[in-house]
Amino acid sequence: EAGVAQSPRYKIIEKRQSVAFWCNPISGHATLYWYQQILGQGPKLLIQFQNNGVVDDSQLPKDRFSAERLKGVDSTLKIQPAKLEDSAVYLCASSLGQGGYSNQPQHFGDGTRLSIL
Amino acid sequence: DAKTTQPPSMDCAEGRAANLPCNHSTISGNEYVYWYRQIHSQGPQYIIHGLKNNETNEMASLIITEDRKSSTLILPHATLRDTAVYYCIVRVTGNQFYFGTGTSLTVIP
Repeated sequence: EAGVAQSPRYKIIEKRQSVAFWCNPISGHATLYWYQQILGQGPKLLIQFQNNGVVDDSQLPKDRFSAERLKGVDSTLKIQPAKLEDSAVYLCASSLGQGGYSNQPQHFGDGTRLSIL
Repeated sequence: DAKTTQPPSMDCAEGRAANLPCNHSTISGNEYVYWYRQIHSQGPQYIIHGLKNNETNEMASLIITEDRKSSTLILPHATLRDTAVYYCIVRVTGNQFYFGTGTSLTVIP
């Protein structure tokens, strides 16, 4: 089974520029997550999708971050404009979980490492 | 928000069992305990999860205390490739994970 695919693997931009990350979850996984991982910290959830609907985006800085999952499969996360503090690894994960509660584990991609100059 | 407490670092001799502890004293009755590990420059890798019974798979064993307030991940024969940061996570509602800072395990030759 193919894992969660993310691209690009690395991205370097200047502050105030925009950037987008792409995620393709494991086939058949209804739930998709985006996490931000700052160096030395554990991943922090940004947004959770169930199929193509948003379940929770309470931790997403909506003034600059946006995410979509239009057809319930692939997803994109965008930052516009980027700030220095956005330098981090952006991880995508997916799980089989349906509905409000599931014990299915999340499976992670290897992330996109973003550096802001 | 992490709801779990882990030691920041541990060492283990190669070939010996690595026992990684985790406290989750505020766990609720329907919350599972999950373990992941993260090797440098990779995403977190799922290891094992459980509710109240001990669990074992090809990677590790998970021992959960009877009161469910703590658990131990056991890697039976640690190898150098097991050097990683190990996260103990309690699932909350909505299928959401809250990661702490984990335990950095170093396997020593």
